[in-house]
Amino acid sequence: GAGVSQSPSNKVTEKGKDVELRCDPISGHTALYWYRQSLGQGLEFLIYFQGNSAPDKSGLPSDRFSAERTGGSVSTLTIQRTQQEDSAVYLCASRRRLTQYFGPGTRLTVL
Amino acid sequence: GIQVEQSPPDLILQEGANSTLRCNFSDSVNNLQWFHQNPWGQLINLFYIPSGTKQNGRLSATTVATERYSLLYISSSQTTDSGVYFCAVGMGGSEKLVFGKGTKLTVNP
Repeated sequence: GAGVSQSPSNKVTEKGKDVELRCDPISGHTALYWYRQSLGQGLEFLIYFQGNSAPDKSGLPSDRFSAERTGGSVSTLTIQRTQQEDSAVYLCASRRRLTQYFGPGTRLTVL
Repeated sequence: GIQVEQSPPDLILQEGANSTLRCNFSDSVNNLQWFHQNPWGQLINLFYIPSGTKQNGRLSATTVATERYSLLYISSSQTTDSGVYFCAVGMGGSEKLVFGKGTKLTVNP
């Protein structure tokens, strides 16, 4: 079946602009995660959704970052007023039982 | 917070060789997973192994929770095993995974 998909695969933006990153989890997976991978910080947890609720937002680095999930499916990660330090690969994963399945990621470059 | 250390940071092998990757963690965990990130960036879950031993083909993993370490064994390595291997741990009732910095494996033909 289809895996986790993310769009866009690449995004180049200018400092100060807002961006939206999308994640389509595997159908039926109620748990969804966002991570960020950068050279300096490695792989970092951002936020966890169970259904449409986000019981753990502890990894969001600032109030410029927000995420939502609708219909227990698609999730959007929004970064407002992007900064150069936001440049990274943003990864989404969904989980059924014990295994997390990752999407291919969105590479964000802030100029 | 919990610290996760992986060793070695880099490993170069000839095809057919065996290897052992190590993950040390600083606190009790109830979730430990091993992932492989291929050269194209795709992360694949290899094992969910908070304790005990599991095997899947040429790969096996052992976690000794009381001593706070886990080992990933790769036997008869192939060029397709190249990439970065990550250990990730979780504690208590948290869904948050904390990742190590990874071991970069290069298998040469």
